Amino acid sequence: EVQLLESGGDLVQPGGSLRLSCAASGFTFSSYGMTWVRQAPGKGLEWVSSGSGVGTYYADSVKGRFTLSRDNSKNTLYLQMNSLRAADTAVYYCARVRSGYTYGPGDYWGQGTLVTVSS
Amino acid sequence: DIHMTQSPSSLSPSVGDRITITCRASHSIGNYLNWYQQKPGKAPKLLIHSASSLQSGVPSRFSGSGSGLDFTLTISTLQPEDFATYYCQQSYTSPVTFGQGTTLEI
Repeated sequence: EVQLLESGGDLVQPGGSLRLSCAASGFTFSSYGMTWVRQAPGKGLEWVSSGSGVGTYYADSVKGRFTLSRDNSKNTLYLQMNSLRAADTAVYYCARVRSGYTYGPGDYWGQGTLVTVSS
Repeated sequence: DIHMTQSPSSLSPSVGDRITITCRASHSIGNYLNWYQQKPGKAPKLLIHSASSLQSGVPSRFSGSGSGLDFTLTISTLQPEDFATYYCQQSYTSPVTFGQGTTLEI
């Protein structure tokens, strides 16, 4: 069974940093692209970043501040978030990119982790 | 960036109704169009990928169609568990973009 479990969400001050993790199981992690999508309170879905064998891609709103990485030996995806802003407050979901695609769709999703940026 | 416009923003249908949600892309995206269902407090669930391919395990009352600019999601016979918010997503190019969502309200 495919499972994705996010962690690392927290309350952080503006300008601070946070690293989210997404632990994957039930599939060959190294063979799939992965993606992060976020959802601000009461708002719609916003794509953040995707990474696959062909490259790593970011939304303009996070480019230069967020870094996507992965450790295939630990079956874990990471999102390093620096220079955090209030507008980054959201539930962050990781998802597996369906085989054969670069950016999406996400066919399996984690339960999400809440990041709150506030002083 | 490719802008995705969904309509309507909300609906108040009845169980048993046939529902159609439309999604329009600002530039042609071929068939790189996906549909998700999201219930409150839950992660999105993939329903349809590549415009018309039903994701494994999704009931056959859900169907998708379209290509290029205009796409539709149809629920043939609405069930109580289908009241949720639906999002379209283009995965043709970066940045990936979502529609604003369509909420089916009881």
